[in-house]
Amino acid sequence: NAGVTQTPKFQVLKTGQSMTLQCAQDMNHEYMSWYRQDPGMGLRLIHYSVGAGITDQGEVPNGYNVSRSTTEDFPLRLLSAAPSQTSVYFCASGRRDGNTIYFGEGSWLTVV
Amino acid sequence: KQEVTQIPAALSVPEGENLVLNCSFTDSAIYNLQWFRQDPGKGLTSLLLIQSSQREQTSGRLNASLDKSSGRSTLYIAASQPGDSATYLCAFQTGANNLFFGTGTRLTVIP
Repeated sequence: NAGVTQTPKFQVLKTGQSMTLQCAQDMNHEYMSWYRQDPGMGLRLIHYSVGAGITDQGEVPNGYNVSRSTTEDFPLRLLSAAPSQTSVYFCASGRRDGNTIYFGEGSWLTVV
Repeated sequence: KQEVTQIPAALSVPEGENLVLNCSFTDSAIYNLQWFRQDPGKGLTSLLLIQSSQREQTSGRLNASLDKSSGRSTLYIAASQPGDSATYLCAFQTGANNLFFGTGTRLTVIP
């Protein structure tokens, strides 16, 4: 059982480049989400999904797109990277009935 | 806007000491409250989940309590060990499963 798997673990982008952070879970969880963690600010919710075909915005959605075509995968797309998007990104998943949330190992993104 | 505050921001204790980490939140209409552990360069590991109808949960040397009326939760760690050194995060959970996090308490247990 792999749990929540994120790739890549480290990435350096130039301003204006695009990229996709991948997230996959093998626990058949309905709920998946993306958070970013910045020093002194805690984790903040970017986007979330309560099932395939359903996505919604979190606290800090600007500059990010998501889609949920399957239960297992929830990619996060940066269309035009900005230095303000330098952060650590965490994907999370859980059952829809509000129990324990499981996190991936994180993706460290630097935009120069 | 929901706010979650954790005090202290950092704590250093000698091995074997009992300690309490504090978490306060402004929105009493929470669904659940979770405590997480984060090791440097790693993801978050769930330690304890307290559902809104519960007042506390225990796992081994860890005990977490929840007082919704006062907007507070505490994490009690008994007989601390160097392996407990990590950052501890509390987060309250909405009905949609979304989590609102505090900024964490960085714990160092000195051998």
